[in-house]
Amino acid sequence: SQELEQSPQSLIVQEGKNLTINCTSSKTLYGLYWYKQKYGEGLIFLMMLQKGGEEKSHEKITAKLDEKKQQSSLHITASQPSHAGIYLCGAYDGGSQGNLIFGKGTKLSVKP
Amino acid sequence: EPEVTQTPSHQVTQMGQEVILRCVPISNHLYFYWYRQILGQKVEFLVSFYNNEISEKSEIFDDQFSVERPDGSNFTLKIRSTKLEDSAMYFCAREDRGNSPLHFGNGTRLTVT
Repeated sequence: SQELEQSPQSLIVQEGKNLTINCTSSKTLYGLYWYKQKYGEGLIFLMMLQKGGEEKSHEKITAKLDEKKQQSSLHITASQPSHAGIYLCGAYDGGSQGNLIFGKGTKLSVKP
Repeated sequence: EPEVTQTPSHQVTQMGQEVILRCVPISNHLYFYWYRQILGQKVEFLVSFYNNEISEKSEIFDDQFSVERPDGSNFTLKIRSTKLEDSAMYFCAREDRGNSPLHFGNGTRLTVT
């Protein structure tokens, strides 16, 4: 079955600094989803990438999909305390409907 | 605000008891999902439900689990005889249409003692 590996597992950055989180798939990606989770809460949808080379931005967060490398990256520019949380990447296992698999997540802490 | 409301937010139950977790989507959708997250582990797919039928389920979703949409609105997950290892956050999710993002509720924290 497909596995998603995220790196780093955790990250502590100073407010205002840029950072990048990576997500690598063991198999071909049929789209990639980024979510954010605060402790004890639900997953908040951030972005969906469907095509190789696609790049999307929302406020200070940019995500890219490299289909050939079976990889996606999430980049945050000028981080703020509000960016703190757990970032999860998700993908459909073998393209099947509904069976969205997730990485273990990257825990981001932003020091003011 | 989440687009899916889950109740209760926290449920404590004794091993062997039955629990029912509820999910109320704000608008009328056809695609629903249940996921769970054991503390410190990945979010795992349990089951997908389309047009009032199970469309796909994982190995985790054994005979102890069932889902239904009894009144056309609430979407429920029932665990017949809870085990200690069922302790987890359970998330309901809805999808607008095929291959669109899933929108999750805030989850129900189930604690089995």
